[in-house]
Amino acid sequence: QSALTQPASVSGSPGQSITISCTGTSSDVGGYNFVSWYQQHPGKAPKLMIYEVSNRPSGVSNRFSGSRSGNTASLTISGLQAEDEADYYCNSYTNSITLVFGTGTKVTVL
Amino acid sequence: QVQLVESGGGVVQPGGSLRLSCAASGFSLNSFGMHWVRQAPGKGLEWVAFIQYDAGHIYYADSVKGRFTISRDNSKNTLFLQMTSLGPEDTAVYYCAKDGRRYPYGTHFDSWGQGALVTVSS
Repeated sequence: QSALTQPASVSGSPGQSITISCTGTSSDVGGYNFVSWYQQHPGKAPKLMIYEVSNRPSGVSNRFSGSRSGNTASLTISGLQAEDEADYYCNSYTNSITLVFGTGTKVTVL
Repeated sequence: QVQLVESGGGVVQPGGSLRLSCAASGFSLNSFGMHWVRQAPGKGLEWVAFIQYDAGHIYYADSVKGRFTISRDNSKNTLFLQMTSLGPEDTAVYYCAKDGRRYPYGTHFDSWGQGALVTVSS
C-alpha cells in the first residue's frame, strides 16, 4: 500500500487560511469515510484533529475543518496562528483492511 | 483521562528480537481496538498493526507481516508488540494508539502514547 500524497510544505501568514490536500485512490480515500488528520509538533506524539472525513474531536479548535472530493481529502486551517506550525498527516482506511498515512506536510506560519 | 505508556524500547542487533509493551489506563481496554504506529528518525508516520478489542481480528502492514506479532492482555490492561528478525529499517519511535471506534478493523487513532525508541544497530 503506497503512502497517500500530501504537499511537502504549506505556509501562510497569521490570520490567513491554508488547505492541505491528501490524494489517494478509490481503494482508500475515495472509497471509505475513515479519513483522519493528525497534528505533530517536534518531539511530540501526534494528535487527532479530524476523523471520519469532517468530524472534529472535542477540544479541537473549530478553526480546523476537513472535507473530501473524490479521491482527495483536505484539511483547512482558518485564522492561522503561530501554534499551528507543525507537521500534519492524513490517514485512511484501505480495501486491504489496513490503514495508510500520507507523506506529511510541514506547515509554516510566516 | 486516557493514558498510554510504552516501554521496552532499546538497542538491538540486526536479526534480533524485542518486545514492546503499552500500559493503558483511563478507559476500558477490553472495549477498543489498539494499534502500533512507528516513525523512523526524521520520517513520516507508518501504521504497523491493529488488534480488535478481543483479539478476534488482527491486521499488519506488509512491511512487518511475518516478523511482528501484536497481542494484548486485557486483564493486565496491556498491549504488546513482539518484533523479530529486526533490521536497520525497523529503527523508529513506536507509538501505541487507541482506536476511536469499536469496530473489527482500524478507523482512526484518538489517543497516543509518548513513544518508545527502537534502534537496530550492530
